[in-house]
Amino acid sequence: GAGVSQSPSNKVTEKGKDVELRCDPISGHTALYWYRQSLGQGLEFLIYFQGNSAPDKSGLPSDRFSAERTGGSVSTLTIQRTQQEDSAVYLCASSPWGGGAYEQYFGPGTRLTVT
Amino acid sequence: AQRVTQPEKLLSVFKGAPVELKCNYSYSGSPELFWYVQYSRQRLQLLLRHISRESIKGFTADLNKGETSFHLKKPFAQEEDSAMYYCALSHRSGAGSYQLTFGKGTKLSVIP
Repeated sequence: GAGVSQSPSNKVTEKGKDVELRCDPISGHTALYWYRQSLGQGLEFLIYFQGNSAPDKSGLPSDRFSAERTGGSVSTLTIQRTQQEDSAVYLCASSPWGGGAYEQYFGPGTRLTVT
Repeated sequence: AQRVTQPEKLLSVFKGAPVELKCNYSYSGSPELFWYVQYSRQRLQLLLRHISRESIKGFTADLNKGETSFHLKKPFAQEEDSAMYYCALSHRSGAGSYQLTFGKGTKLSVIP
C-alpha cells in the first residue's frame, strides 16, 4: 500500500515568510509524528498526534511553530516568520498506534531552505 | 532526561569485515530501543527493535542494561550496508505520549 507522503519535497522561502508543510499518513494509522532533521543533529521530535486527542506539542522549538491534524488524517506543520535556523529536513511519520514498541513509518521529508 | 549517544559520526570498514555500530542510552525507565537506517536517496526505515530479538539483513543488536548499550553488529559487512544508521529510544514524554529520541547517527561506509 501507499506509504507516508509529504509535500512539497523541497521548499525555498525568504526569511520572515510563513510556510506550510503537509503530511499524509498511512491510512488507518492513528499516531502521527513530526520531526526535524538538521545537519549533524540527528532527528528532533516536534509534535505528536494520537487520534482525536490533544496533541503533544512538547518538542516545538518556539511559538512560531504550530501543527494541526484534520479528521484524524492529514497534518499540516506551519512555521511563521521563518528564520535561517529553521532550515532543515522536516520528517513526518505515522504508526498504527502510539505505543512505545510500534514501528514508525517515515515519509520522504520536506527540505526547507530559508534564505 | 533520556539521551541516546552514537559516538562515531563515520565508520569505514572493508567488505567482509565485522561491523559494530555503537549506541549508548540513558533512561530511568525500562528502555525500548530501535535501530533505524536510511539508505542513499531513500526514506528512514526500521531495521530492528530489541523487543523482537530478530536478525535483519544479518544485523543483530543486544540490549545490555548493565552497560546501557544497544550496539548494532554484523559479522560480515556488505557494500549494500553503506547507509546512515540511527539508534532510537522510545519513552514517555511529560505529556504522556510515546516519543522516539534519536542519536545523531553513524554513517557506515563499506569499502569494496
